[in-house]
Amino acid sequence: SSELTQDPAVSVALGQTVRITCQGDSLRSYYASWYQQKPGQAPILVIFGKNNRPSGIPDRFSGSNSGSRASLTITGAQAEDEADYYCHSRDNSDYHRVVFGGGTKLTVL
Amino acid sequence: QVQLQQWGAGLLKPSETLSLTCAVYGGSFTDHYWTWIRQSPGKGLEWIGEINHSGSANYNPSLKSRVTISVDTSKNQFSLEVRSVTAADTAVYFCARGNDIVTTYDLYYYFDFWGQGTLVTVSS
Repeated sequence: SSELTQDPAVSVALGQTVRITCQGDSLRSYYASWYQQKPGQAPILVIFGKNNRPSGIPDRFSGSNSGSRASLTITGAQAEDEADYYCHSRDNSDYHRVVFGGGTKLTVL
Repeated sequence: QVQLQQWGAGLLKPSETLSLTCAVYGGSFTDHYWTWIRQSPGKGLEWIGEINHSGSANYNPSLKSRVTISVDTSKNQFSLEVRSVTAADTAVYFCARGNDIVTTYDLYYYFDFWGQGTLVTVSS
């Protein structure tokens, strides 16, 4: 099986750029998808595929991939970006399984 | 606009069966994987399983022995059953729409629409 690993917490100063990373063997085959979750709310898709944003997601959110690592970058972080972020993909060793990263708590200072 | 609306019992006793249903409004019902995900208090997201319109289901190996996901295409609904619940099953349960993308160069899978979540508490 394949797991996805994220740093538990990251902080960024208001207006600065932050990168949230996700590591796992599945990412050698699959692009990661990224979700933002605020307290008491359902997750929201922010990045999927190579670097696609759903309608309504600000263009300060972008994604990149290299080998077994995927990154979510927020360029010019805003106070409203403070949230938990999760990466996700299918398990490349078992297509019938889906895996999530453990989540990264982003604090905007 | 696609909407997922879920419902089910929120308070269970140990050993009972958890049952949730998710109705899909808008969009295609046949082109997606219909998925259940849960989140224990203060924890991360855990994939429970998925089903397609033809009834082919996949499950998290850690839950497979106790979980059944079913689909009712006549109503555009899908359901989750978790048997013999314990306190460890206390969580917010979400339904979601999954999209599997397979091209010559790209593989990716994403959840674009989510239900509102249902808190299920297991307590004696």
